[in-house]
Order: sequence, then structure tokens, then C-alpha cells
Amino acid sequence: QQQVKQSPQSLIVQKGGISIINCAYENTAFDYFPWYQQFPGKGPALLIAIRPDVSEKKEGRFTISFNKSAKQFSLHIMDSQPGDSATYFCAASRGDYKLSFGAGTTVTVRA
Amino acid sequence: KAGVTQTPRYLIKTRGQQVTLSCSPISGHRSVSWYQQTPGQGLQFLFEYFSETQRNKGNFPGRFSGRQFSNSRSEMNVSTLELGDSALYLCASSLDQSTNEKLFFGSGTQLSVL
Repeated sequence: QQQVKQSPQSLIVQKGGISIINCAYENTAFDYFPWYQQFPGKGPALLIAIRPDVSEKKEGRFTISFNKSAKQFSLHIMDSQPGDSATYFCAASRGDYKLSFGAGTTVTVRA
Repeated sequence: KAGVTQTPRYLIKTRGQQVTLSCSPISGHRSVSWYQQTPGQGLQFLFEYFSETQRNKGNFPGRFSGRQFSNSRSEMNVSTLELGDSALYLCASSLDQSTNEKLFFGSGTQLSVL
């Protein structure tokens, strides 16, 4: 049973476009929501994270939007670049060290 | 600062064998977590160690076990290998996971069971 549902499974965006990935969760005890980026042959790397007390967090071209009442959060990649082509995972945890990951979204940025 | 180091990078085993994977965390990091990554199931939590103690375990059979040494290095062991154990096994370290500090992942050990 997947505790975090992620969509879409894959997306293609033109260079300079916006990539949007959505995640939904059920467990209201979750209090930490990170996004990870993974390149082929590498482990996931933390990109950006948010806690439920804020509705948005921005770091460079990456923004997390968080909707606590809807139990949804999303990642926006602005001005997408070919180097952003990777698999992105959302995740959630409830104050412990066990992360529940979404299924992943493969993003392809076309030049 | 060196990252999380996992050895070996690739392993090929046959059904019924056992395997031991190794993880060296970032210097100073005391928490080590293990995750299994497969195309079908995604990333799934195996277990986490802090100061040589297992603090939590995921929903995996007892064939999966681990340990942590006094220098924070960790090993995981899988006994009686099954075809379904073929996966990328990822180790992650952090200073202390109790406050959801960021996890730093290694590049993983790709295990193939034939």
C-alpha cells in the first residue's frame, strides 16, 4: 500500500518550460515532505523539502506548493533545463526517520 | 567531504545464496538507513541504525538483516536469496534522523539474483 501517490509517471517539457509533479498523501501524521532527484546510476539527492506550517517554499528554480487541507503537495521546476532531466521522487515522513516515497516521475527536458 | 560509500557496486548471486552489502556513511553521521529500489515497488524502507542500535524496521522478511559498527559503518545481509530480491540497495546517512535531517544517499549496490 503506497502511502504517497505521485503523478504523472513521466513528462516531457521543452527547454524553458515548467514541469509540474503532484503528490497526495493520506496519513495526516506526516510532517516532513522532501523531494529527491535521481540521475541514472546515482542515488537520490535531496532537492528541497517543506513542513506543513508553510504553503510554499522556493529554492532557485524549484518550488514546492503545499495544500494541507487537500493533503497534496507539488513540485514546480521553472525554466526547465536539459540538465534537469532525471527522476523525481516525492516523499513523506512522520517525525521519524522512515521516508515513504512516491513512485517517481521521469522528467525529460527537450532542447 | 567524502559522500556515502557503498560496496560493492554490482553483485551477481544465485538463488539460495546469501549476500552482505557494506555502507560507509559521511564522516560524523551517526544514522544509517537502508532502502530497496525496484522498478515495480519503488523505494522501500528496510531499516535504520543509530549508535549500533536498530531503531526501526520496514516490512521485509527476516531474511533481511543489518548491523552497525561503532564507527557508524553498516552492513546489510540477505540470506537465502530469491529472484525477487534483485534490486538496487541504497544506503543513506544523516547526522540524526530524529529531527528529519536531510538524508544523503550513496550510489547503491545493484544486486542481481539469477
